Amino acid sequence: AQKITQTQPGMFVQEKEAVTLDCTYDTSDPSYGLFWYKQPSSGEMIFLIYQGSYDQQNATEGRYSLNFQKARKSANLVISASQLGDSAMYFCAMRNVDSNYQLIWGAGTKLIIKP
Amino acid sequence: NAGVTQTPKFRILKIGQSMTLQCTQDMNHNYMYWYRQDPGMGLKLIYYSVGAGITDKGEVPNGYNVSRSTTEDFPLRLELAAPSQTSVYFCASSYRYEQYFGPGTRLTVT
Repeated sequence: AQKITQTQPGMFVQEKEAVTLDCTYDTSDPSYGLFWYKQPSSGEMIFLIYQGSYDQQNATEGRYSLNFQKARKSANLVISASQLGDSAMYFCAMRNVDSNYQLIWGAGTKLIIKP
Repeated sequence: NAGVTQTPKFRILKIGQSMTLQCTQDMNHNYMYWYRQDPGMGLKLIYYSVGAGITDKGEVPNGYNVSRSTTEDFPLRLELAAPSQTSVYFCASSYRYEQYFGPGTRLTVT
């Protein structure tokens, strides 16, 4: 069965420092994709970044990058130069291309950026 | 371009009442989804649809029903509301990979 694990329930990070949020996954399918979403206190879900299992390079989107280590089945989100506005819940999710693009979600990590 | 819209934003139901949560998207996406998010938890898929007229159960479908008569609309029906259905409900749509979310409906059943 597919599974997403986020082992950090919460993190405190000093403003301007880099942050790594952990995500490990389990799937037996060779074709899959990994997502990170941000959920600020206002509640909306904001897409951050996507990595496909066949992508040769790690995905990057502005200050967000995905440290994709296929052999270790990990897809950690790296936020460079953290800002106060980065304080939010962060969710890792996985899709299976054979499951009509359904997503399986981790439990999330609450990130708090300290000034 | 409004994206995914949901109504209502908030609702309080009494046990046993019924209601419909509305979801509309204007991006012409074939795939639509309903999730629930309980406090401090991730999202759980209730139902999804791959196109007009086609729906299927997700992880937690009991107590809910859906329909998809048009590409744009994907309402979620709660019959005989129970306290266990107190949650935040999100609707989402996608063309392929990335799912776009509505703002959510906060539902309390008392």
